[in-house]
Amino acid sequence: DAKTTQPPSMDCAEGRAANLPCNHSTISGNEYVYWYRQIHSQGPQYIIHGLKNNETNEMASLIITEDRKSSTLILPHATLRDTAVYYCIEGSARQLTFGSGTQLTVLP
Amino acid sequence: NAGVTQTPKFQVLKTGQSMTLQCAQDMNHNSMYWYRQDPGMGLRLIYYSASEGTTDKGEVPNGYNVSRLNKREFSLRLESAAPSQTSVYFCASSRGLDYGYTFGSGTRLTVV
Repeated sequence: DAKTTQPPSMDCAEGRAANLPCNHSTISGNEYVYWYRQIHSQGPQYIIHGLKNNETNEMASLIITEDRKSSTLILPHATLRDTAVYYCIEGSARQLTFGSGTQLTVLP
Repeated sequence: NAGVTQTPKFQVLKTGQSMTLQCAQDMNHNSMYWYRQDPGMGLRLIYYSASEGTTDKGEVPNGYNVSRLNKREFSLRLESAAPSQTSVYFCASSRGLDYGYTFGSGTRLTVV
């Protein structure tokens, strides 16, 4: 079973920031938080991952709370092409367990 | 740069038939994985290979076998297909622990 908790769906206006929350209260000290997304029926796409510190790349920012029990993925300027299911995953890269994710719909 | 290539893209099998799903990556990644995704659900790990020459079971290995043929290729075999194995199968690779995965585009398998 997936060890993270995410809202099943969210909407966001095009051009605005999308903030996707995730709870991972059982995460252990050496486990990373990974974010992936899946657009329609394509293969999942890696977005970002982090251990303790906040991370940023060309796609998104990842904010991890100090106690590491929750995190937020931020898409700074959402576009229609960002409509997808977003998965938050805790674990080692050896075995990632995908839950149900959050369906993000970006509205025009 | 193709990334992760899966063949075939679509397949229909009769119950009891066997087949092999092929996966190849051209990124010199050490680790490779096979997942299945059933309608409306997340991905579940079938088998993985942390490095060339090693394979390990994931969450749902029953009914499947794998072969890490070399660093580039990781195949998944169904010896006797069952309707419960109707699913979309994704192969992925990663540089190793602590790195993100690159996924293929999937094989859509129907067992009738």
